[in-house]
Amino acid sequence: DIQMTQSPSALSASIGDRVTISCRASQSISSWLAWYQQKPGKAPRLLMYKGSDLEVGVPSRFSGSESGAEFTLTISSLQPDDFATYYCQGFDGFSYTFGQGTKLEIK
Amino acid sequence: QVQLVESGGGLVKPGGSLRLSCEASGFIFSDYYMTWIRQAPGKGLEWVSYIGGSGGDTGYADSVKGRFTISINSAKDSLYLQMSSLTVDDTATYYCARSRGWYMDIWGRGTLVTVSA
Repeated sequence: DIQMTQSPSALSASIGDRVTISCRASQSISSWLAWYQQKPGKAPRLLMYKGSDLEVGVPSRFSGSESGAEFTLTISSLQPDDFATYYCQGFDGFSYTFGQGTKLEIK
Repeated sequence: QVQLVESGGGLVKPGGSLRLSCEASGFIFSDYYMTWIRQAPGKGLEWVSYIGGSGGDTGYADSVKGRFTISINSAKDSLYLQMSSLTVDDTATYYCARSRGWYMDIWGRGTLVTVSA
């Protein structure tokens, strides 16, 4: 099974900051990478798929990129609604694997 | 609107069984793969199982293989997860989710399963 390694595990930032979260797959997953946002007590919400395609309704301040087996989620200008936990998820053709999560907190 | 509603969670003793249900609405259920994902208290997300819209293609995480069985009832637009030989490590909120390809675009609100003596 693939392993998805997210970094950092936690991040403190201020409103208006630009933040990046990384996710590395243990083997090639092509562009089979999605990002989710989860707020306390709520179900995860799909933000992005295929590495950089934004889900309908997701603000354009969210973006994604890919370089080999490394994927990056960027929030260009943090808004109050963005403080949450973020997960990456990969697929190897047989099973789904989530990263361990990145908790984004207000500085 | 597109919606998934889970039910069936609760308190069960180690070694016991439980059946979770997920009722779908607002989309053609048989057109999609469906998945179960769980989240232990204070922990991250763990994929549990998937099933194709026809019910003929299934997959399980190693942690539940042989103990959990996923199924669907297309006539009822419903997804199920039969769980047996439960251990304390199975304690989690269980989410059903619609798969759009290899990622999950619609999630239910989850149902809590607590395994405790």
